[in-house]
Amino acid sequence: QQPVQSPQAVILREGEDAVINCSSSKALYSVHWYRQKHGEAPVFLMILLKGGEQKGHEKISASFNEKKQQSSLYLTASQLSYSGTYFCGTDTTNSGYALNFGKGTSLLVTP
Amino acid sequence: GAVVSQHPSWVICKSGTSVKIECRSLDFQATTMFWYRQFPKQSLMLMATSNEGSKATYEQGVEKDKFLINHASLTLSTLTVTSAHPEDSSFYICSAQRARQSGPESNQPQHFGDGTRLSIL
Repeated sequence: QQPVQSPQAVILREGEDAVINCSSSKALYSVHWYRQKHGEAPVFLMILLKGGEQKGHEKISASFNEKKQQSSLYLTASQLSYSGTYFCGTDTTNSGYALNFGKGTSLLVTP
Repeated sequence: GAVVSQHPSWVICKSGTSVKIECRSLDFQATTMFWYRQFPKQSLMLMATSNEGSKATYEQGVEKDKFLINHASLTLSTLTVTSAHPEDSSFYICSAQRARQSGPESNQPQHFGDGTRLSIL
């Protein structure tokens, strides 16, 4: 039930864009996105609750395709501070809290 | 707000020792807290879900007698690793979730503590 994230890792130059995908084999009720920097706790980015929902925070946005059982995280004009590991957490039981986390996508933004 | 404090941040102890880790929500009430284990460069593996005033729900393969969880109040959950051995060495992270409101728009984010790095010699 662990969602599959792709790519596993990506290296960007500052200012470039990236897309991180999260796919589930089960129907999704919600998708949560977190970013974790090395040695630190994961930090909440956003939750998507409805199929087709899109959200954004500054230059980071996400979409949720309920039919395809997947979500994508879009990082636009990346900054050095975007470096870290991005995890998606999926709720496949409509419990509202029990999440399965993907293996993470490691993102490195270089000057 | 939504600050979660986890203590201690690093523990090194001898094999056979029991270690207690605390997870506190500082500025909100958390009816549900979660305990995760994370190996280097790996994902967050849910160990158990802790609900205030009731027994924790453990994930398959997690020994409840080995990893004792107590959620005595709406702001505190503790994880005790009993008789720890080197294979228990890991990064343990807790998260807390605000009380869930009813209805479909009820998902709340999880707010994570800074984690506890446990090393058993």
